[in-house]
Amino acid sequence: ELKVEQNPLFLSMQEGKNYTIYCNYSTTSDRLYWYRQDPGKSLESLFVLLSNGAVKQEGRLMASLDTKARLSTLHITAAVHDLSATYFCAVDVYGGSQGNLIFGKGTKLSVKP
Amino acid sequence: DAGITQSPRHKVTETGTPVTLRCHQTENHRYMYWYRQDPGHGLRLIHYSYGVKDTDKGEVSDGYSVSRSKTEDFLLTLESATSSQTSVYFCAISESRAGGRYEQYFGPGTRLTVT
Repeated sequence: ELKVEQNPLFLSMQEGKNYTIYCNYSTTSDRLYWYRQDPGKSLESLFVLLSNGAVKQEGRLMASLDTKARLSTLHITAAVHDLSATYFCAVDVYGGSQGNLIFGKGTKLSVKP
Repeated sequence: DAGITQSPRHKVTETGTPVTLRCHQTENHRYMYWYRQDPGHGLRLIHYSYGVKDTDKGEVSDGYSVSRSKTEDFLLTLESATSSQTSVYFCAISESRAGGRYEQYFGPGTRLTVT
């Protein structure tokens, strides 16, 4: 059974600090996705990571993928309040166009002034 | 928003009643998905479709059925709703992007409460 584990599940941090969210998965996959969800809203795609060593950056967020370690990280640099949200990683089980995603349970990030 | 709408957006129903949720897309995407989101579980795939009349089960399909008679509509039916099916339901489509990658985009969600 494929498992996708995120940690931490809850993260409270101060503005200006750096932190990393980890996403471990239990089977081979070379496609990993990060999503953001604001309370009461839908999911917004942040990053698609397609190969070992892939690194993507957008603003204060940077995501990376290590397929050998079955690990992806989402690094937050100099956090600001607007980054408060829940972040999900998801692994593509079959690859190709079928796109069956298995999601982690999410990391609820709260950035305090 | 990839042209995805869901209806209804909110519904309260009683245990044992049938419920149908609709997902509508306007951009002719082949793949469509239904997920449910529950606290502490993230999103879990219920069913998905890879074309008209072509559907398959996901991780948590028990108690749910789906139909897709037109490319643009993917229906999720709870034949006899139970309280354990109280959840937020998201529809998604898969869209191809450059470099052979695919991204899933999600609809606004339907909040279903079974009393």
